Amino acid sequence: GAVVSQHPSRVICKSGTSVKIECRSLDFQATTMFWYRQFPKQSLMLMATSNEGSKATYEQGVEKDKFLINHASLTLSTLTVTSAHPEDSSFYICSARVGTGSETQYFGPGTRLLVL
Amino acid sequence: GEDVEQSLFLSVREGDSSVINCTYTDSSSTYLYWYKQEPGAGLQLLTYIFSNMDMKQDQRLTVLLNKKDKHLSLRIADTQTGDSAIYFCAERGSGGGADGLTFGKGTHLIIQP
Repeated sequence: GAVVSQHPSRVICKSGTSVKIECRSLDFQATTMFWYRQFPKQSLMLMATSNEGSKATYEQGVEKDKFLINHASLTLSTLTVTSAHPEDSSFYICSARVGTGSETQYFGPGTRLLVL
Repeated sequence: GEDVEQSLFLSVREGDSSVINCTYTDSSSTYLYWYKQEPGAGLQLLTYIFSNMDMKQDQRLTVLLNKKDKHLSLRIADTQTGDSAIYFCAERGSGGGADGLTFGKGTHLIIQP
């Protein structure tokens, strides 16, 4: 299957700093990428949908000014957690979809963020 | 919002079949998925089924869909220790705005020797 990578895999930062997480589709072009958040023992929750070359669409309750998403190319989307706080500590997972009609999403390995 | 429910734990003996169940509320679901997550790893797509299908089989995996009852199941035949993981049921709606997946909380499959 298609491969999606995320970088970094783990990050620890101080409260108030910003953290950037990269999501790359390695062997295919992804028109659409999705960002999810998973709290311990909880399900994945969709945060936003990112389409290449346009603004991201955020789910209700997700602050777009806090979670900045950029999808500058067909193989790269970035999520920046601005002014991170301890409650932002979570597992952030991206997924990528090939084309608009594709039924499959390929998931990255996730990035574990710990804000002290 | 839409909801996906599944049991949190399932324990089976090695060699038996495992059946993981899932219910969902979105009647406009187009695709339903099963993902596997091993400790410390990302999500691995196991299989998916289109909403106009009743059954799909892929080697040891059988997916059954009862669209009327909004019930999805995943059967793993001859369960092995390597099948120990968390299994997530997910559904995709009929489109419009953001069409990411809605996930259940995951079923932790425990294999007894």
